Amino acid sequence: DGGITQSPKYLFRKEGQNVTLSCEQNLNHDAMYWYRQDPGQGLRLIYYSQIVNDFQKGDIAEGYSVSREKKESFPLTVTSAQKNPTAFYLCASSAPGLVGYNEQFFGPGTRLTVL
Amino acid sequence: SQQGEEDPQALSIQEGENATMNCSYKTSINNLQWYRQNSGRGLVHLILIRSNEREKHSGRLRVTLDTSKKSSSLLITASRAADTASYFCATAITSGTYKYIFGTGTRLKVLA
Repeated sequence: DGGITQSPKYLFRKEGQNVTLSCEQNLNHDAMYWYRQDPGQGLRLIYYSQIVNDFQKGDIAEGYSVSREKKESFPLTVTSAQKNPTAFYLCASSAPGLVGYNEQFFGPGTRLTVL
Repeated sequence: SQQGEEDPQALSIQEGENATMNCSYKTSINNLQWYRQNSGRGLVHLILIRSNEREKHSGRLRVTLDTSKKSSSLLITASRAADTASYFCATAITSGTYKYIFGTGTRLKVLA
């Protein structure tokens, strides 16, 4: 099955700890994205990557870090510098089309709770 | 914030009725997309309309785009209880990067 997977589904973190959220896709998409969603809110872009070994900050990158060493993988680390990390995190991927961008494919999400 | 706005924020209708939700955005776009999100799940792509298109249909969905007003609407006809979800618009901006800006969402509840 082609798709995008995220793990774990639920994650609990103590204050002061770094945690890493996994995102893997087998769609052969060049672009990958991380979004944060707070209750009842829309999606806010954390980081995105259009190609391996390159990534760009989104609107709320502070306290987060990413890497893109492989096309299939785009892990997100939530560092202790992120003041309010409790949220639902969504990973997505997309491929550029012949005219503009194509749709995004989303993973099932990881719900992070800071204890 | 570059985030788009959607209205209404919440909508409750009876099964069989039509549901209309609107999206406004701020920047020049390449295309506009609508997504559905069931509670606690990832988003699912519904339909994409390009900046040079004015209307598009897909099954029970009808999307319009008015680039002069920077707005779009999504119409779901003959709604079903299974349509209960949050709906988001997302704009693919023309900055040269593959970046999407999401609206705040409309929570739709279809009553059986």
